[in-house]
This record gives sequence, structure tokens and C-alpha cells, in this order.
Amino acid sequence: AQSVTQLDSHVSVSEGTPVLLRCNYSSSYSPSLFWYVQHPNKGLQLLLKYTSAATLVKGINGFEAEFKKSETSFHLTKPSAHMSDAAEYFCVVSEWGADGLTFGKGTHLIIQP
Amino acid sequence: EAGVTQFPSHSVIEKGQTVTLRCDPISGHDNLYWYRRVMGKEIKFLLHFVKESKQDESGMPNNRFLAERTGGTYSTLKVQPAELEDSGVYFCASSQTGTRTDTQYFGPGTRLTVL
Repeated sequence: AQSVTQLDSHVSVSEGTPVLLRCNYSSSYSPSLFWYVQHPNKGLQLLLKYTSAATLVKGINGFEAEFKKSETSFHLTKPSAHMSDAAEYFCVVSEWGADGLTFGKGTHLIIQP
Repeated sequence: EAGVTQFPSHSVIEKGQTVTLRCDPISGHDNLYWYRRVMGKEIKFLLHFVKESKQDESGMPNNRFLAERTGGTYSTLKVQPAELEDSGVYFCASSQTGTRTDTQYFGPGTRLTVL
């Protein structure tokens, strides 16, 4: 069975500084991994996904994530935070034989001016 | 192209009442999913439709929840009778192929409050 651990419930950074949101996963087989973002009063939006191609995945709005099988990690990064990045971010895994996605508990990203 | 839509956006009901949530997937998407997030917890999978058939309903909490997708287009999720612990945000998602690499597109959710 798969599981996802988002190591931080809240991350606070200053505008213009790098962002790191951490995610570790547990999966029996080769998983697909996703990062979704939810802005206040909005639906979940896909940021990026890993599907066993390149291990460094680029997404929208300057975000990227690196799949590290040896560390079972899929951390999300961005070189320079913008105020508009303030939102809740979800690390998600999809596995063979499982119909639904498995979500982490989410990380609230707070951007300080 | 319209995204996934859900109605209503908010619903406040009393314990013991019935509520029906609706989801309209992206046109042409055969796969439709329901998820739920209760306060303080992670988003959890409830069930998966392929067209009008239930592919997997292993996440449905109990028999007070009934999901339908007549005609393979929109879906409804009925809670009858509602209990306090049913409060949360109910998300619907749709996808084209339903494979593990396929992107699921989410609606904005319905916030259900049971008093």
C-alpha cells in the first residue's frame, strides 16, 4: 500500500527566497507522483507530475521537483518565491492497481513580504 | 474548455437530513472520482466511476453514502441521513484514461457542514 508524508505542515519564506516543500512516499511498485496546489477558495490545480521519465520534473509557475528513488523523496522547489505562491500544496501518489490517488496532509506555504 | 464543476459550493444541513452533491466532469472524460477531506485530515479517495459503472468504491465510508452516474455524464453523491462526522469538503475529479499516469482534474469542491 502506498502512503505519502509531507514533512512540514507550514513553511514560511520571504518573497524572493527559495522554496522547499518536502515529500516522502512509500510505494510497493513504481509510482506516479504529483504535486497539486490549492489557492484559497479554489480547486486543486496540478503543478507537475512524475511518470517514470526524467527524474527532474518542471511544472508551472517556476516550480520543479526531483524524484529520488533511493531516498523515496519527491521534494518541490522554486528558486524565488512570489506572494502569489501562498497556498496549500499537496504531494500525491498513484500506484498500479489503485484507482484513487493517495494524498499527503498538505503543506501551507506562507510568503512574507 | 470548461473544467470540472461542482454544485453547490456550500451546504449547511442538520443532522439527519439528506444532501445531494453534484459533479459535472470535463466533457469526454469517462473517469470520474469522488474524494473527501474532513477537517485536519488528508484528502481521501471515496470512489471511481468508469462511464456509468462503479470501478472501485472501497473508500466509501458506509451505506449512508450513495453515488450515481446515470448515463455516464454527471454524478451525484447523496448522504442520507447526514451525521456530524460527514462534515468536510467533497471534491470531484475527472480524467481521460484512468491510468496511474493520467492527470486527474479537480473541481473546486463542495463544503458540507452538518450541524
